[in-house]
Amino acid sequence: DVKVTQSSRYLVKRTGEKVFLECVQDMDHENMFWYRQDPGLGLRLIYFSYDVKMKEKGDIPEGYSVSREKKERFSLILESASTNQTSMYLCASSFWDRAYEQYFGPGTRLTVT
Amino acid sequence: AQTVTQSQPEMSVQEAETVTLSCTYDTSENNYYLFWYKQPPSRQMILVIRQEAYKQQNATENRFSVNFQKAAKSFSLKISDSQLGDTAMYFCAFMKPAGNQFYFGTGTSLTVIP
Repeated sequence: DVKVTQSSRYLVKRTGEKVFLECVQDMDHENMFWYRQDPGLGLRLIYFSYDVKMKEKGDIPEGYSVSREKKERFSLILESASTNQTSMYLCASSFWDRAYEQYFGPGTRLTVT
Repeated sequence: AQTVTQSQPEMSVQEAETVTLSCTYDTSENNYYLFWYKQPPSRQMILVIRQEAYKQQNATENRFSVNFQKAAKSFSLKISDSQLGDTAMYFCAFMKPAGNQFYFGTGTSLTVIP
């Protein structure tokens, strides 16, 4: 079974803190994705990566950066957390030619106070 | 730009009954993928069913089936013999074949009532 894990299920941070969300997959997938899920807005793509050290902006990259130093790991970074970044963050992965088969992690619910 | 609309924020159904969730989308593409994803409470999002636009036959997966109307840009999900485990948020999504990006609807929260 494909396994996508995220470092935390729940996280509480203060405004201005630097926040790291980690995602690890064990299926040797080339593609990895970070989404943000908000009520009434569905899921929106923040960034995705199709290879180590490669990244592409999604629909809402502002206020976020990403890092992919190893194939299995994709990190989402909030340089200076703000209250409007309080949300559920979902990671997903897929093979490079099967982006339509994305496997999702359990999500990290981030609260910024 | 692609948009996906789910006009039913919440729905409920009696156990063992049938329910249909609606989804419409807007695109100028001729070929694309459509999906229904299920997100149970506090659990991971999983794929329920996928439809390729060039296929005329509606996709089915056990109790789940779709009604794909390409001309109307409509993609509804029918759940037959609803079970308590079907209680979840359901998302409709669109993807271009050469792309990496899903376009998700806003979701429909389905509750199955015992």
